[in-house]
Amino acid sequence: GAVVSQHPSWVICKSGTSVKIECRSLDFQATTMFWYRQFPKQSLMLMATSNEGSKATYEQGVEKDKFLINHASLTLSTLTVTSAHPEDSSFYICSASEGRGYGYTFGSGTRLTVV
Amino acid sequence: AQTVTQSQPEMSVQEAETVTLSCTYDTSESDYYLFWYKQPPSRQMILVIRQEAYKQQNATENRFSVNFQKAAKSFSLKISDSQLGDAAMYFCAYRQKGGSEKLVFGKGTKLTVNP
Repeated sequence: GAVVSQHPSWVICKSGTSVKIECRSLDFQATTMFWYRQFPKQSLMLMATSNEGSKATYEQGVEKDKFLINHASLTLSTLTVTSAHPEDSSFYICSASEGRGYGYTFGSGTRLTVV
Repeated sequence: AQTVTQSQPEMSVQEAETVTLSCTYDTSESDYYLFWYKQPPSRQMILVIRQEAYKQQNATENRFSVNFQKAAKSFSLKISDSQLGDAAMYFCAYRQKGGSEKLVFGKGTKLTVNP
């Protein structure tokens, strides 16, 4: 079945630094990728939708200058958290769509801790 | 805007018994997709079952089945012969057909399976 690889699985960074999270579709071309944030014991909150070769579409309230998304190819999307602060600590999950409504394949998530 | 409501924050079931998780949604669309996802403690999102709105037949996947009531905008998940490995957060999700591919998630139901 479809596999999405997300790295790193966990990362600790210092406040003020930037962190990049990668999301790769391993056996299919992902026309669209999604980035979510999940707080403990809560649902997934969509941050942005990225389409290969075009600018990401951010949800209301998400700072696009802080959460930079790049979808440079049909198999890779990256989320960069710039100038990270402790309040950015969270669980970030990506998912990818083949564009046919079959469902979405999710990455295993990245736990970000900013100290 | 579409919304998904899961009215049961927590549910519990005895091993080998059957449990039903509720989900209702609101949409003005006539054709769409509905999903149930499972998120175990590993936090990996796993697709459990998928339903296309134009298909009247309820989807089934082994021990998992849905009761899709389109007029009532209800999409409940039935888990038969519950197993310890079924313990997880379960999220109901909606996606319109055509247009935006983004998923709209409910808040989730935490399922506990008692031995």
